[in-house]
Amino acid sequence: EPEVTQTPSHQVTQMGQEVILRCVPISNHLYFYWYRQILGQKVEFLVSFYNNEISEKSEIFDDQFSVERPDGSNFTLKIRSTKLEDSAMYFCASSAGTAQPQHFGDGTRLSIL
Amino acid sequence: EDQVTQSPEALRLQEGESSSLNCSYTVSGLRGLFWYRQDPGKGPEFLFTLYSAGEEKEKERLKATLTKKESFLHITAPKPEDSATYLCAGQAQGAQKLVFGQGTRLTINP
Repeated sequence: EPEVTQTPSHQVTQMGQEVILRCVPISNHLYFYWYRQILGQKVEFLVSFYNNEISEKSEIFDDQFSVERPDGSNFTLKIRSTKLEDSAMYFCASSAGTAQPQHFGDGTRLSIL
Repeated sequence: EDQVTQSPEALRLQEGESSSLNCSYTVSGLRGLFWYRQDPGKGPEFLFTLYSAGEEKEKERLKATLTKKESFLHITAPKPEDSATYLCAGQAQGAQKLVFGQGTRLTINP
């Protein structure tokens, strides 16, 4: 069964550094998403991406964050100048359509020191 | 503001003991209500989508139902491998984001 894959599984970064989280969505999906889950809290939406542009974003997704689909398979989340509060599990998801189920990867655990 | 609330936060059952998990939602113009299963250290795994009140979906020991205000995930004769956190998420009309509840942590004892 097709699946969403994320790398790395765990990323440790010093505060103030830039980090790039990578995702390979399911191949025939058109919509891509990033969510995050701070330990013990709800899964929170960050951004959705369609047709090479951001289609929806949350208040969390400020100028510190950016997304990109650099080629036909990868989807990335970049966090500039990381803060301690950015420590969380970051999940990538993809779907075939806007009302279709979103399928999630197993996440990247980001630890900011 | 769209909101999804799940109860109980945690539920411990004996193997074979049926029960239900609740998901209450206040989502403007619900497009879809999604149920996911999440195992420790893993991402949410899709289970069901419900689109309209009265709709029901089943998969093995799980059945999801939807009313105009809430959704239930019924688990019949559960087994230890059903132990996981079950997440409910709502999607509003015209939106792409899913709004998640905090989850119900289900433990099935053998």
